Amino acid sequence: QVQLVQSGAEVKKPGASVNVSCKASGFTFTSYGISWVRQAPGKGLEWMGWISVYNGNTNHAQKLQGRVTMTTDTSTSTAYMELRSLRSDDTAVYYCASSGTPAAHFDYWGQGTLVTVSS
Amino acid sequence: SYELTQPPSVSVSPGQTASIPCSGDKLGTRYACWYQQKPGQSPVLVIYQDNKRPSGIPERFSGSTSGNTATLTISGTQALDEADYYCQAWGSSTVVFGGGTKLTVL
Repeated sequence: QVQLVQSGAEVKKPGASVNVSCKASGFTFTSYGISWVRQAPGKGLEWMGWISVYNGNTNHAQKLQGRVTMTTDTSTSTAYMELRSLRSDDTAVYYCASSGTPAAHFDYWGQGTLVTVSS
Repeated sequence: SYELTQPPSVSVSPGQTASIPCSGDKLGTRYACWYQQKPGQSPVLVIYQDNKRPSGIPERFSGSTSGNTATLTISGTQALDEADYYCQAWGSSTVVFGGGTKLTVL
C-alpha cells in the first residue's frame, strides 16, 4: 500500500535550519510530485510548496521564498524539505503529501513531523 | 491573493445531513477538494475534482459546486464523522486551503 513515512520530531533554536525527510513506497515515485504542508498548533493547513519528482521543478508559497528548499532522491524514493532561519512561528507539524501536479489534490499524506522552534 | 472561506463550525444530529460550504471567487471554475482531519491524525482526502470520491471513502460523502461555492455534504452523518474539514483549490499559482470547519455530531 502507499506509504509516506516522515522523519522524527525536531527541536531547533531560532535562526537554525531543519531538514525533514519523507520516504515513499507503494507507488511509482517518479510519476508524482510531493507537496509540503504545515499546521501550526491549533491552526489550519498551510501549503508550503511542491516539487516534481520527475524533473525537479518547484513551486513555493510566496511567504517562504528564500527560506525553503525542496529536493528529492529518486534512488531512495525520498523527498526532503529544508527550512532555514527558523522563527518561533515556524513551530508546526510538517506534512508531506503526494500529488500529480502542483494544482492537484493530495492523494496521500505522511504521518507528520513536529518541528518546535524555541530558545 | 486567492482566499477560501469556510464557517468555523457546523453542528448536526446523528443520522441527519451535514453541509459544509466553501466560498471563493469563481470557485466553480476551479477544481475543489476536501480533506477530513481527526485530532492527532493526518488529513485524509474525501472528495477530489469537486465531486469524486477516492477509493475507500463512504458513499455518504459527496461534493458539489455552484458559482462561487463548493459544498461537502455528509448524508446520514455518524459520530465517527466528527472532525475538521478543509476545502482546497488552486488559485493565484498557489494551493489555497480554507480555514477549516469543525463538524460536531451531537
